[in-house]
Amino acid sequence: NAGVTQTPKFQVLKTGQSMTLQCAQDMNHNSMYWYRQDPGMGLRLIYYSASEGTTDKGEVPNGYNVSRLNKREFSLRLESAAPSQTSVYFCASKGPATYGYTFGSGTRLTVV
Amino acid sequence: DQQVKQNSPSLSVQEGRISILNCDYTNSMFDYFLWYKKYPAEGPTFLISISSIKDKNEDGRFTVFLNKSAKHLSLHIVPSQPGDSAVYFCAASQNDYKLSFGAGTTVTVRA
Repeated sequence: NAGVTQTPKFQVLKTGQSMTLQCAQDMNHNSMYWYRQDPGMGLRLIYYSASEGTTDKGEVPNGYNVSRLNKREFSLRLESAAPSQTSVYFCASKGPATYGYTFGSGTRLTVV
Repeated sequence: DQQVKQNSPSLSVQEGRISILNCDYTNSMFDYFLWYKKYPAEGPTFLISISSIKDKNEDGRFTVFLNKSAKHLSLHIVPSQPGDSAVYFCAASQNDYKLSFGAGTTVTVRA
């Protein structure tokens, strides 16, 4: 099925470890986004990429880096994980002609 | 500073009755508003939207109302069905650029 694919679905990290969350979309969308969802906070934008080759900070970028590898793929990296980064992470993409995003199913990350 | 606020964390409604979800925003530059629905262990899915030039948009059982002067929008679900039990997020954007989300309202439809 066409859409946004995120890997892994679950991950447990120790404080200080690093990891990369992968995201790929097959809808030929230009824009891609990384959000985190925390209880009582809704979804908050971490980083986004308006088009291939560009990335920009969102609302909560500290502790994260991103790479827009090509038009399909947008990865999120935690260089040194902290317990405050325990969250559910969603990747999304959006085409030029439509409002509204298509979201992946999420990555549940726990940092202990 | 949250620009989109959903002040009711939860809503319980009987099957067949109306569900009304509310959302307030502070940024007067928002020009498009959306509602997303989310089931556990899934990503949010688009439900319905409204442009700032309209005050109502209807899609089947779902209607969104926008009151720009009050910076308020609401989602009406009539009639509510058990499959509507989910978390509903209100979102807004300016110039089709980056969505800002509210904290969400968990709807439970009782049989």
